[in-house]
Amino acid sequence: GQNIDQPTEMTATEGAIVQINCTYQTSGFNGLFWYQQHAGEAPTFLSYNVLDGLEEKGRFSSFLSRSKGYSYLLLKELQMKDSASYLCAATDSNYQLIWGAGTKLIIKP
Amino acid sequence: DAMVIQNPRYQVTQFGKPVTLSCSQTLNHNVMYWYQQKSSQAPKLLFHYYDKDFNNEADTPDNFQSRRPNTSFCFLDIRSPGLGDAAMYLCATSRDTGTGGNEQFFGPGTRLTVL
Repeated sequence: GQNIDQPTEMTATEGAIVQINCTYQTSGFNGLFWYQQHAGEAPTFLSYNVLDGLEEKGRFSSFLSRSKGYSYLLLKELQMKDSASYLCAATDSNYQLIWGAGTKLIIKP
Repeated sequence: DAMVIQNPRYQVTQFGKPVTLSCSQTLNHNVMYWYQQKSSQAPKLLFHYYDKDFNNEADTPDNFQSRRPNTSFCFLDIRSPGLGDAAMYLCATSRDTGTGGNEQFFGPGTRLTVL
């Protein structure tokens, strides 16, 4: 079966760094997305990785290892507004997105 | 600004009373998706259209129907809503389905309450 695993909840301190991990098992693989979703709102795109390695975009970076079926989202210089759920979604051989349930990130002052 | 619009943002209906949710897009994307998302759960894909080519997910209940009369608009019809259908309904679009074009852009969602 196809499956995405990510932690349910994480807590971090304002100004710190946090890494949210995601492991995936899909029938084929055509890239991995990270989305941010604030409570009661729609997901917004953060990053897309299809090749191994680290993609950096401002305070956010995303890493992919295809051989390990593993990705992480790294958030630096955390701000209170970063409190949200972070959804990992892998693209299978049919280009369908297989979604994780999201990691709720709580930022404390 | 190019965007995905959903109406209404909040919909209240009675048990068994049909309801229609609408989605429009100004991105001129080929693909439109409908997702159901319950609290703290992953979005669940209900349908997607590649242009007018309709794709129904195998586990989408018959109670849910969809229409895409043109490129810009897509509708979700719930024929007889049950209490278990209360959820956020998300419309999304993508330019294409292959690598490089399958980033999905979401509308703000419609939160459905069933009384």
